[in-house]
Amino acid sequence: AQSVAQPEDQVNVAEGNPLTVKCTYSVSGNPYLFWYVQYPNRGLQFLLKYITGDNLVKGSYGFEAEFNKSQTSFHLKKPSALVSDSALYFCAVRLNQAGTALIFGKGTTLSVSS
Amino acid sequence: DVKVTQSSRYLVKRTGEKVFLECVQDMDHENMFWYRQDPGLGLRLIYFSYDVKMKEKGDIPEGYSVSREKKERFSLILESASTNQTSMYLCASSLLLRESPLHFGNGTRLTVT
Repeated sequence: AQSVAQPEDQVNVAEGNPLTVKCTYSVSGNPYLFWYVQYPNRGLQFLLKYITGDNLVKGSYGFEAEFNKSQTSFHLKKPSALVSDSALYFCAVRLNQAGTALIFGKGTTLSVSS
Repeated sequence: DVKVTQSSRYLVKRTGEKVFLECVQDMDHENMFWYRQDPGLGLRLIYFSYDVKMKEKGDIPEGYSVSREKKERFSLILESASTNQTSMYLCASSLLLRESPLHFGNGTRLTVT
């Protein structure tokens, strides 16, 4: 079955330090991978996606993600965390057909302390 | 910017009531989706639609139905609300392209008492 796993329920990091939010996937064929962020009482906002090509993709708010095919991972990263980055982060994979839904991980809460 | 609007931010309904959650998007997207979000469970797909009058079951369709009579509007219907349907409901839309990201509304927090 195709799935996405976020192994950490919560990640804590100090402001100014680099952050990583982990995601692994299980999907047949070439994966289309996405990261979303959710602030309290809001819907999800799209951050970035991997389709093909360069394994390092850049997205909104200074975030980037690294695709690693051999490790089936798509970790979200940022070189220097901000307190305002504190939110709930979701990794998602799209199945192999156009028009289908995203399958989401269970989410990781990022807490950045000042 | 794409706008996905969910008609209610908060709803409180009684067990057994029929509940309608409405969602409208303004970007002519072919795809529309309904997810529910529960703590520790992430987002789970209820139904989606890739065209008017078309619908596909997601992972948890039991107790729900949907209606898509117009391209811009996708309604989620709880035929007989139950307390285990208390949740945050998120509507989303996207183009009919595999690389197209989903655009989400702000959600409807439904409480069934």
